[in-house]
Amino acid sequence: GENVEQHPSTLSVQEGDSAVIKCTYSDSASNYFPWYKQELGKGPQLIIDIRSNVGEKKDQRIAVTLNKTAKHFSLHITETQPEDSAVYFCAASSHGQNFVFGPGTRLSVLP
Amino acid sequence: DTAVSQTPKYLVTQMGNDKSIKCEQNLGHDTMYWYKQDSKKFLKIMFSYNNKELIINETVPNRFSPKSPDKAHLNLHINSLELGDSAVYFCASRDRTKETQYFGPGTRLLVL
Repeated sequence: GENVEQHPSTLSVQEGDSAVIKCTYSDSASNYFPWYKQELGKGPQLIIDIRSNVGEKKDQRIAVTLNKTAKHFSLHITETQPEDSAVYFCAASSHGQNFVFGPGTRLSVLP
Repeated sequence: DTAVSQTPKYLVTQMGNDKSIKCEQNLGHDTMYWYKQDSKKFLKIMFSYNNKELIINETVPNRFSPKSPDKAHLNLHINSLELGDSAVYFCASRDRTKETQYFGPGTRLLVL
């Protein structure tokens, strides 16, 4: 089955700096890779996703890159703000089935 | 309006009891999920229902039984609760033609 690894487990950055979180997956059949943000006491919220036919996707300060050959994808947050502090999860899925999540990255943005 | 809602938000109960968690989505989705998030934040899928039929059961103990009275609801019944069942349980839903999942706010279960 699919296995998703995520690094780092914790990340602290200064406000205004960039943050990068990396994930790897094992199943070459996976073709959908969402990123979720989970704030304290809340459910995960989708912030960006990418499909295997695309190498990069950007939405304002957030971008995701995908390397299908190496089976890894990354989340990039630029100009970080304190409200970006949360736990971020990557996930991999094959055609929307069998979602497997990474273990999460706790991001702290220091003012 | 809340897209995916869960009740209760908090549930504290004694070991050995039977409890239920309810989930409702008003998005018109036909696939719903239950996830368990442990104290280390690991999110693991438990069940998936598509048009009221179970399509995934990730080796969850049979003390856990999902029940879907209709397409908009997926409830989780837990019998003979154990200490290790303490976790946050999330419901999620998805349109079968799209990949995006929408999560509920979670139910925090504490078994004493």
